[in-house]
Amino acid sequence: TQLLEQSPQFLSIQEGENLTVYCNSSSVFSSLQWYRQEPGEGPVLLVTVVTGGEVKKLKRLTFQFGDARKDSSLHITAAQPGDTGLYLCAGHSGTYKYIFGTGTRLKVLA
Amino acid sequence: GAGVSQTPSNKVTEKGKYVELRCDPISGHTALYWYRQSLGQGPEFLIYFQGTGAADDSGLPNDRFFAVRPEGSVSTLKIQRTERGDSAVYLCASSLTRQGSSYTFGSGTRLTVV
Repeated sequence: TQLLEQSPQFLSIQEGENLTVYCNSSSVFSSLQWYRQEPGEGPVLLVTVVTGGEVKKLKRLTFQFGDARKDSSLHITAAQPGDTGLYLCAGHSGTYKYIFGTGTRLKVLA
Repeated sequence: GAGVSQTPSNKVTEKGKYVELRCDPISGHTALYWYRQSLGQGPEFLIYFQGTGAADDSGLPNDRFFAVRPEGSVSTLKIQRTERGDSAVYLCASSLTRQGSSYTFGSGTRLTVV
């Protein structure tokens, strides 16, 4: 069974601080996605990474796929209250479905 | 439609009752997925449809759960003899092609069994 563990589980920080969220597995994935989910809504796709070592930037968010394609990180620079939400990674191993991680709940305080 | 639509948005039912949850995917999306999400957790896979057929129902927890997609568009997730442990948010997603495509999720149906 493929599992994706995310850490930390919860994170509460002040506006303007930087943070990193991790997504780890013992399995290799052909691609990995990051989603953000707000209360009462479905997850919204932020990025897809497919190549080992790949780095993608989305404004203040930086995503990296591990060289071995077993792990990924999400770094947020100068966090803002609008970044608050549940961050989910999801791995795809060449089949038709994504396996989701356990989630990191981020709260950014103004 | 413009997005994935799920109805109802909230459903409260008594233990032992039967419920149906509906998903209307993005027009033209052939793949449709159902996931279940417990509070503060990541979504867990339930079932995947490619067209009208259930290509993988390995995530359905037991035989009280069943899903259909008779015309390859709208899907209905059916739960018989509901139990309190079935309480969760049921998410539907659709995608354009089968492998590796990005999902678009609906807002989910929050099911509460009392």
